[in-house]
Amino acid sequence: SQKIEQNSEALNIQEGKTATLTCNYTNYSPAYLQWYRQDPGRGPVFLLLIRENEKEKRKERLKVTFDTTLKQSLFHITASQPADSATYLCALKDSNYQLIWGAGTKLIIKP
Amino acid sequence: EPEVTQTPSHQVTQMGQEVILRCVPISNHLYFYWYRQILGQKVEFLVSFYNNEISEKSEIFDDQFSVERPDGSNFTLKIRSTKLEDSAMYFCASSPDRGPSYEQYFGPGTRLTVT
Repeated sequence: SQKIEQNSEALNIQEGKTATLTCNYTNYSPAYLQWYRQDPGRGPVFLLLIRENEKEKRKERLKVTFDTTLKQSLFHITASQPADSATYLCALKDSNYQLIWGAGTKLIIKP
Repeated sequence: EPEVTQTPSHQVTQMGQEVILRCVPISNHLYFYWYRQILGQKVEFLVSFYNNEISEKSEIFDDQFSVERPDGSNFTLKIRSTKLEDSAMYFCASSPDRGPSYEQYFGPGTRLTVT
């Protein structure tokens, strides 16, 4: 079955720098991969979706890449701000349309 | 902007009791979901619901769980006889369709504490 791996250790980044988070999956390449943000005690909030035929997707300060050869997606936040501090979750739909989630990476932006 | 709402925000119950968690999905969405997240762990899919019936369910969603759409707006998750290990955040979500290109919109969650 499909598994998603995200860095379990928190990522500490200085304000203004670019944060890069990694999502690796183990089996077949999904047609779409999604990234969500989750704040403590809150539900996930959708950020970006990237299709397998897209190398890169951007939205304001966010950028997602998708490498089906490496079975990896990278999520970048440029010009990071303390308000970007949260847990970022990678998710993809398996063959049954269920969303499978990574455990998330906690991002801490230090002023 | 439309949003998914959930009530209550926090539910405390004794082991063996029944609980009903309530959700109001976004009005023009067709698919509804329940997820749970045990503290410090990953989000886990429980069940999806479409056209008044269960579309998919996970191994977690056993006979103790049931879902219902009792009217045109509410979507409920019932746990018949709660166990300590049911303590978790329960999130409701909805999406316009179920295809992989559709994002899901999550509610704020209900924190269930079973004592």
